[in-house]
Amino acid sequence: GDSVTQMEGPVTLSEEAFLTINCTYTATGYPSLFWYVQYPGEGLQLLLKATKADDKGSNKGFEATYRKETTSFHLEKGSVQVSDSAVYFCALSLYNFNKFYFGSGTKLNVKP
Amino acid sequence: DTAVSQTPKYLVTQMGNDKSIKCEQNLGHDTMYWYKQDSKKFLKIMFSYNNKELIINETVPNRFSPKSPDKAHLNLHINSLELGDSAVYFCASSLAESEQYFGPGTRLTVT
Repeated sequence: GDSVTQMEGPVTLSEEAFLTINCTYTATGYPSLFWYVQYPGEGLQLLLKATKADDKGSNKGFEATYRKETTSFHLEKGSVQVSDSAVYFCALSLYNFNKFYFGSGTKLNVKP
Repeated sequence: DTAVSQTPKYLVTQMGNDKSIKCEQNLGHDTMYWYKQDSKKFLKIMFSYNNKELIINETVPNRFSPKSPDKAHLNLHINSLELGDSAVYFCASSLAESEQYFGPGTRLTVT
């Protein structure tokens, strides 16, 4: 069935380190892909999205490229900050099937 | 100018009680959702409404009943609350196949 798998956390990095959070998906049809971020005590916020293969989503220094051949949408950031500490969720949407799936979330801790 | 709002933010109640959570969106979206987030941050979709019509009804106990009086509102009523219902409940909305916008969450604690 349709699903999203992302790497387990927590991920602990020092400030200015490079970040990768892996996300792979299984889907019938052609999904749109998303990364959401959840800061402590808050709801989820859209971080970036890509709607078709080879699209690159980017926002606030974060990027992810929709790779159809590897069914992946890995999140990257070149230099993390303490303020990036949060839980990150990968998600896919198959609107024609009224489906929206979230990964299990990856907690990122950035130390000064 | 809040986009998706939920009330209450915190809800503490005893087992066996009935409670409701309200959600409103002012984004003009046509689809609204309820999610449950457990203590490990896992998100589970519960219900989805499109133009006031129920389109997703995942396997949740029938003690949970959503109601959508209009496109901008989706309420969640829970009967006979149990300890396992303790979680954070999020409302979200979207337009067509675009991204979902989430409310701030309602932390429900059942004692």
